[in-house]
Amino acid sequence: ELKVEQNPLFLSMQEGKNYTIYCNYSTTSDRLYWYRQDPGKSLESLFVLLSNGAVKQEGRLMASLDTKARLSTLHITAAVHDLSATYFCAVDLRNAGGTSYGKLTFGQGTILTVHP
Amino acid sequence: GAGVSQSPSNKVTEKGKDVELRCDPISGHTALYWYRQSLGQGLEFLIYFQGNSAPDKSGLPSDRFSAERTGGSVSTLTIQRTQQEDSAVYLCASSLTGTGDPTDTQYFGPGTRLTVL
Repeated sequence: ELKVEQNPLFLSMQEGKNYTIYCNYSTTSDRLYWYRQDPGKSLESLFVLLSNGAVKQEGRLMASLDTKARLSTLHITAAVHDLSATYFCAVDLRNAGGTSYGKLTFGQGTILTVHP
Repeated sequence: GAGVSQSPSNKVTEKGKDVELRCDPISGHTALYWYRQSLGQGLEFLIYFQGNSAPDKSGLPSDRFSAERTGGSVSTLTIQRTQQEDSAVYLCASSLTGTGDPTDTQYFGPGTRLTVL
């Protein structure tokens, strides 16, 4: 059974600081997604990471994937209040035939609060 | 429509009643997914549709839960004899092909918040 674990689950940051959210998963996969969820809202896709060593950046967020370590990181640079949200990683587990249909297994989510 | 829509946005029901939740995917998307988000269990996969067929129903928690999709479009998730533990936000997502292709992004709807009293 695929397990996806994030840490920390709660993150209180000061504006301007840097921090990293970690996502570990238990089974081989080369597709990892990061989503953002604002309170009362649905999930917004942030990044899709498709191969070992993949790195993607958007604004103050940068995501990376190490498939050998089964680890993805979401790095926040110089945090601002607008980044306050819950961040989820999700893994797409392929079936035994190596194909996938997009069934996602999510981590628990990291609640990020950025304060002055 | 421009995105995935779900209705109702909120549903309060009494224990033992049946409820129907509706999802309208993005036009042309063949794949449709239902997920459940609850405090205790996080975000869980429920069921996947490819067209009108459901090749994977493995996430449905009990036989009180069922879902169908018609015309390759609208999907309805039905919960019979609701229980308090069914209280959660039910999210629907759709994607263009459901092949797991890297470019095949899942777009999520706003969700239906179900409260069972």
